[in-house]
Amino acid sequence: EAGVAQSPRYKIIEKRQSVAFWCNPISGHATLYWYQQILGQGPKLLIQFQNNGVVDDSQLPKDRFSAERLKGVDSTLKIQPAKLEDSAVYLCASSFRLAAHLGNEQFFGPGTRLTVL
Amino acid sequence: QKEVEQDPGPLSVPEGAIVSLNCTYSNSAFQYFMWYRQYSRKGPELLMYTYSSGNKEDGRFTAQVDKSSKYISLFIRDSQPSDSATYLCAMSLYNTDKLIFGTGTRLQVFP
Repeated sequence: EAGVAQSPRYKIIEKRQSVAFWCNPISGHATLYWYQQILGQGPKLLIQFQNNGVVDDSQLPKDRFSAERLKGVDSTLKIQPAKLEDSAVYLCASSFRLAAHLGNEQFFGPGTRLTVL
Repeated sequence: QKEVEQDPGPLSVPEGAIVSLNCTYSNSAFQYFMWYRQYSRKGPELLMYTYSSGNKEDGRFTAQVDKSSKYISLFIRDSQPSDSATYLCAMSLYNTDKLIFGTGTRLQVFP
């Protein structure tokens, strides 16, 4: 079974520029998550999709971050404009179950490492 | 105060040692407790999950949850150099899969 795919793996941009990340979840997984992992910290959930609808985006800085999951499969996360504090690894994860449930394992991709100069 | 506290380490042990990793938390409503392992430049992978209190064993790994103390542990027996990674605890409320992660503990097992 192929894992969660993310691209690009690395990105370096200057502040105020825009950037987009792409995620392809495991086939058949209804739920998709984007996390931000700042160096030395644990992942923080930015947004959760169930199929193509948003379940939770309470921690997404909506003035600069946006995400979409068209057709309930692939997803893109965009930052515009980027700030220095956005430097982090952006992880995408997916899970099979349609609703919150015991043992709803989340499978993570390798992440995109963003550096904002 | 953070919802989940975890000593960042690093923790350095010799091969074969028993490793104890711990997290404390403040929200007594957490019901599901997980341990993830994250190798360098990789995404986290689930090691173990536990519902409510108690112990769970899987091979060399044992997870313990003490809800009365708001304290969870992961024990690794006969540690191997391949266990060198960052270990993240995570937890969630009942009927939600939103995970709250600790900061992670970096473990190094030397031959």
